[in-house]
Amino acid sequence: GIQVEQSPPDLILQEGANSTLRCNFSDSVNNLQWFHQNPWGQLINLFYIPSGTKQNGRLSATTVATERYSLLYISSSQTTDSGVYFCAVRNQGGKLIFGQGTELSVKP
Amino acid sequence: EAQVTQNPRYLITVTGKKLTVTCSQNMNHEYMSWYRQDPGLGLRQIYYSMNVEVTDKGDVPEGYKVSRKEKRNFPLILESPSPNQTSLYFCASALGTGGGTEAFFGQGTRLTVV
Repeated sequence: GIQVEQSPPDLILQEGANSTLRCNFSDSVNNLQWFHQNPWGQLINLFYIPSGTKQNGRLSATTVATERYSLLYISSSQTTDSGVYFCAVRNQGGKLIFGQGTELSVKP
Repeated sequence: EAQVTQNPRYLITVTGKKLTVTCSQNMNHEYMSWYRQDPGLGLRQIYYSMNVEVTDKGDVPEGYKVSRKEKRNFPLILESPSPNQTSLYFCASALGTGGGTEAFFGQGTRLTVV
């Protein structure tokens, strides 16, 4: 089945710093998503990005489907950005295959 | 507002007492599914439904039941909860199973079985 790997597993930033999170996937997919799990456990949709680049405020994402990776950029990080960031792809049956997540901690 | 709504958000119950976690979506999505999230094990699919009256087992279906009588609702039923079902549960929906369909999650239900 599809494998999804994220790096780094943990990241500690000072407020205001920038960061790049990476997601590699093993098979051709056309439905990659990025989620943020906040400290209360909620999974928030960040991007649906099968290919190309999207931006939403301080966050942007790029997926290069032909090379099977996606990047999530966080600029000018804030303490509210803390939490776990997941990428996920859906297999042919519709099941979401998640990476193990990147746990981000932004210090004031 | 397009959303997936789960209830309750938090639940503490005792072993063996039947419970139902409700899930409702207002996006006319055909595909709905349940996941549980546990430390070190990530998110695992419990059951899914391709459409009304069509449900199937995911990776960890033991101890759970589901039904899909209406398109918008997909309740998760624990007939006789046990402590190993203590977990964070998520309901998700999507337009279909193919490419080009974004999945949306409910707020999560934190269940503790004592």
